[in-house]
Amino acid sequence: DADVTQTPRNRITKTGKRIMLECSQTKGHDRMYWYRQDPGLGLRLIYYSFDVKDINKGEISDGYSVSRQAQAKFSLSLESAIPNQTALYFCATTTSGGAPDTQYFGPGTRLTVL
Amino acid sequence: KNQVEQSPQSLIILEGKNCTLQCNYTVSPFSNLRWYKQDTGRGPVSLTIMTFSENTKSNGRYTATLDADTKQSSLHITASQLSDSASYICVVSNQAGTALIFGKGTTLSVSS
Repeated sequence: DADVTQTPRNRITKTGKRIMLECSQTKGHDRMYWYRQDPGLGLRLIYYSFDVKDINKGEISDGYSVSRQAQAKFSLSLESAIPNQTALYFCATTTSGGAPDTQYFGPGTRLTVL
Repeated sequence: KNQVEQSPQSLIILEGKNCTLQCNYTVSPFSNLRWYKQDTGRGPVSLTIMTFSENTKSNGRYTATLDADTKQSSLHITASQLSDSASYICVVSNQAGTALIFGKGTTLSVSS
């Protein structure tokens, strides 16, 4: 089984709809992240969480919200989707150990907003 | 402004050949630099992580170097294989670990 799973893998929706992307991990990591990737651009951080009660905005948080339901679950919501939110979304996890640890990425969710 | 610049943007090489990808960064304060491989339609997979005190790290046919003084890193791929065709992404982290700055990646195509 994959260490980091994302659902759905693909989603097509219409402008104005509310969308939730879900992420689960079995790594036992405390830190979780949401990124978006657009063609020709690097991954950009939307939100990150270092613990269940810790939520932080990233570089491009406008139009998004998150919920850390449990250590293993981190969901991303688009309250009112717009076409320029069409992108590939990745969830990632890592641990907060002293040495920098590997960041594990999920398989991605391809979101299209019409 | 914290930035990570990668070159070349794309590269085509023949199977069996070596290649080197470059990464320059302006992230400060610096904590660590990572190289990822991303296959089309998949999430990035970590290849190497280097801290300030490390200047080289290998993972099989992949060898990364870091010059923290000049803020440059390179990823050298030896004896390339068709499966090496992917995007290679350089990522720099600040000391707090609150910012991971991603480069746009180098797209490598290995042909037979």
